[in-house]
Amino acid sequence: LAKTTQPISMDSYEGQEVNITCSHNNIATNDYITWYQQFPSQGPRFIIQGYKTKVTNEVASLFIPADRKSSTLSLPRVSLSDTAVYYCLVGDFDSSASKIIFGSGTRLSIRP
Amino acid sequence: GAVVSQHPSRVICKSGTSVKIECRSLDFQATTMFWYRQFPKQSLMLMATSNEGSKATYEQGVEKDKFLINHASLTLSTLTVTSAHPEDSSFYICSARESGDQPQHFGDGTRLSIL
Repeated sequence: LAKTTQPISMDSYEGQEVNITCSHNNIATNDYITWYQQFPSQGPRFIIQGYKTKVTNEVASLFIPADRKSSTLSLPRVSLSDTAVYYCLVGDFDSSASKIIFGSGTRLSIRP
Repeated sequence: GAVVSQHPSRVICKSGTSVKIECRSLDFQATTMFWYRQFPKQSLMLMATSNEGSKATYEQGVEKDKFLINHASLTLSTLTVTSAHPEDSSFYICSARESGDQPQHFGDGTRLSIL
């Protein structure tokens, strides 16, 4: 199982771009990278998933270098409502035997 | 998008009671469902992985007789906490995944409080 390492916490201000980097040095060939957002007393919410290069959707971008040993979640123009814990996960999501382990996550605090 | 419904959202009950939590995938068929437990200010801890029609696979340290999991259909999995005690109080979260390269989608969790 690939283990992930993220910063424990980050602070930023409204309107800024926030980049959260995750290290996954032991990522396997079949592993995808997925990011989730969690608010207190709620289940995690899917943000974005990728395998390599760059993926973009309506809320975020995911940058993955060629060696895939890290990834960066980019949140453009954050607002106060983006204050949450962000989790980076890696795993072979295509395998019914694959189990998904959560790391410690990054607690992002956005200030006015 | 994919929706996972978890019920109930909150349970308060006396010690010794058994509690059942339901997890349903509303708009997709979930080949695999997962059950997690989360303590305050901590990350999610995987308890078990459940594949439809087969027995659940429990993580090390999770008592299978204490936490009964049933995944009888492609849209429903249940977790029953048997003879719950105060130390079982926690936030329980399920997730479901459709077959293929699809991500997990999570329910909104169940806050279990044992008095």
